[in-house]
Amino acid sequence: QVTLKESGPGILQPSQTLSLTCTFSGFSLSTYGMGVGWIRQPSGKGLEWLANIWWDDDKYYNPSLKNRLTISKDTSNNQAFLKITNVDTADTATYYCARVSWELPFDYWGQGVMVTVSS
Amino acid sequence: AIVLNQSPSSIIASQGEKVTITCRASSSISSNYLHWYQQKPGAFPKLVIYSTSYRASGVPSRFSGSGSGTSYSFTISRVEAEDVATYYCQQGSSNPWTFGGGTKLELK
Repeated sequence: QVTLKESGPGILQPSQTLSLTCTFSGFSLSTYGMGVGWIRQPSGKGLEWLANIWWDDDKYYNPSLKNRLTISKDTSNNQAFLKITNVDTADTATYYCARVSWELPFDYWGQGVMVTVSS
Repeated sequence: AIVLNQSPSSIIASQGEKVTITCRASSSISSNYLHWYQQKPGAFPKLVIYSTSYRASGVPSRFSGSGSGTSYSFTISRVEAEDVATYYCQQGSSNPWTFGGGTKLELK
């Protein structure tokens, strides 16, 4: 059974760094072709892909967030991480992690974690 | 970035009605990398159709997809009450991966 769960700070102030953790089970990021992606959704709005990390540590980022994103993984503990630096109110959203593979797009999603950026 | 334009942005349909959503890409994409998700109110998105026309595990046969190049479509052959949701297309053909703006399906 594949599950994913996001965790984060809930609220943070502008200019701070947002650190998110995705803890998953039922698959391994050491398995060939497997990956984890991060997607966010402001309240009442659409989905925005942020980044993917793959089993071989290959990483892809959405260039619209320029150099603010860093994705990483801890294969031993079945976790993936996303950091967003210098946040502002536009980063307020629900953040999802999801499993991805060469065979399938985002086929399993976490419940999402709400993040609010406010002074 | 490849922009995905979904239309219509909202649909009001009766139970049993056929509905079709269109997703047009700003550049041609491989049909292997065009997917559809369903997001019910207050829930996370769920993969419904992958690689243009393949139903994800457990998805009822009333859901289907087709298309190629820059034009793709998603169809519910007979809408049921449980299909009320927002539907998104997504391309993974080129970086950055992008989503369409969504189509909100409501029941009459």
